[in-house]
Amino acid sequence: VQMTQSPSYLAASPGESISISCKASRSISNNLAWYQEKPGKANKLLIHSASTLQSGTPSRFSGSGSGTDFTLTIRSLESEDFAVYYCQQFNEYPLTFGSGTKLEIK
Amino acid sequence: VQLVESGGGLVQPGRSLKLSCAASGFTFTNHYMAWVRQAPKKGLEWVATISSSGSRTYYADSVKGRFTVSRDNAKSSLYLQMNSLKSEDTATYYCARDDWFAYWGQGTLVTVSS
Repeated sequence: VQMTQSPSYLAASPGESISISCKASRSISNNLAWYQEKPGKANKLLIHSASTLQSGTPSRFSGSGSGTDFTLTIRSLESEDFAVYYCQQFNEYPLTFGSGTKLEIK
Repeated sequence: VQLVESGGGLVQPGRSLKLSCAASGFTFTNHYMAWVRQAPKKGLEWVATISSSGSRTYYADSVKGRFTVSRDNAKSSLYLQMNSLKSEDTATYYCARDDWFAYWGQGTLVTVSS
């Protein structure tokens, strides 16, 4: 399953809201996760099952979608949110990641 | 939960290397485990997964036939035997607990170069 993530780069200001899209080449039901990558830190699972917040994920993060189209939304960006984000499908092997979205401060 | 990878380093093309991941803070035998890699300045790539008993393994096409994932449940350890290494295998290798990859290690760098 190919995962197409967009945009690859996004610049936004603290307080703004942003969305990242992830499209699967065929249906993956809701078997999708979102991760945050920051330098020097272990990758962090934010959301699994497309919309279930992992324990410890702030409520300003939300995930939606099922089948082939998925979205990660971050409301009211905070400085700690500027990072790289990846989606990943868990529906079938081989497991596949999106290409990543780098979120930078405008 | 703690996952600590080791065994990375510089290796020549065609040679072998074995990575280890020491797990603690959870019941290792209850969980599938996985290896994920990230080439320099690139995205994440799933490499392999092993079932909790070790009886089932899954591989990315890019490593199938060259890499072998294994585990020692008595030692709470995960391994990745990498043979016939290529320059394109250069990456940081992470182990992750395969329940939505909720936990990741900090990674170990493998550089394949002559």
